[in-house]
Amino acid sequence: QKEVEQDPGPLSVPEGAIVSLNCTYSNSAFQYFMWYRQYSRKGPELLMYTYSSGNKEDGRFTAQVDKSSKYISLFIRDSQPSDSATYLCAMNDYGGATNKLIFGTGTLLAVQP
Amino acid sequence: KAGVTQTPRYLIKTRGQQVTLSCSPISGHRSVSWYQQTPGQGLQFLFEYFSETQRNKGNFPGRFSGRQFSNSRSEMNVSTLELGDSALYLCASSPGLGLRTDTQYFGPGTRLTVL
Repeated sequence: QKEVEQDPGPLSVPEGAIVSLNCTYSNSAFQYFMWYRQYSRKGPELLMYTYSSGNKEDGRFTAQVDKSSKYISLFIRDSQPSDSATYLCAMNDYGGATNKLIFGTGTLLAVQP
Repeated sequence: KAGVTQTPRYLIKTRGQQVTLSCSPISGHRSVSWYQQTPGQGLQFLFEYFSETQRNKGNFPGRFSGRQFSNSRSEMNVSTLELGDSALYLCASSPGLGLRTDTQYFGPGTRLTVL
């Protein structure tokens, strides 16, 4: 079983819809949770960064972490065609001196105009 | 400030050959991490370097190796290529190790195809 599970999709939604992307994980030591966006033929770009449980909002994006359920979510409001990309969740415990991230396999999102 | 650069962007090799990929981190960043991205496995951690020393290694065979130079640039090498090594190889740079902040930036990757 993978440490981080993510539905690969693809997920297709109409423009303006609310999108919900999710990951589950098994390692309770994870404390830092990230969402990356990756466009085709590009490297991952950091979207949201959250420490421990709770919510964080940045414009149209909201990240939620529920450590008790080992479940994290990314919500995209008023989705735009430019949001079409692969969304990757990533996490780390930073327990040692390392930048190693554990990634989900990514969810491919298509926002239809 | 220039981002992370990786060269070459695309490579085609045949089985049994070896390949060297290069990563130049953001100016001032001293840590470089490498990841392999495939459709089935997603991003998997290969290794990370800080101050020219390998600090952490993922679960990959010894055919995968790397190094970091005094200017923080890093190279990774894959010897005796196999078809399964076809992937996007990404590097990420950060000012240091374990900073617990959102300071890790990825390059565009090198697309390796093994025939």
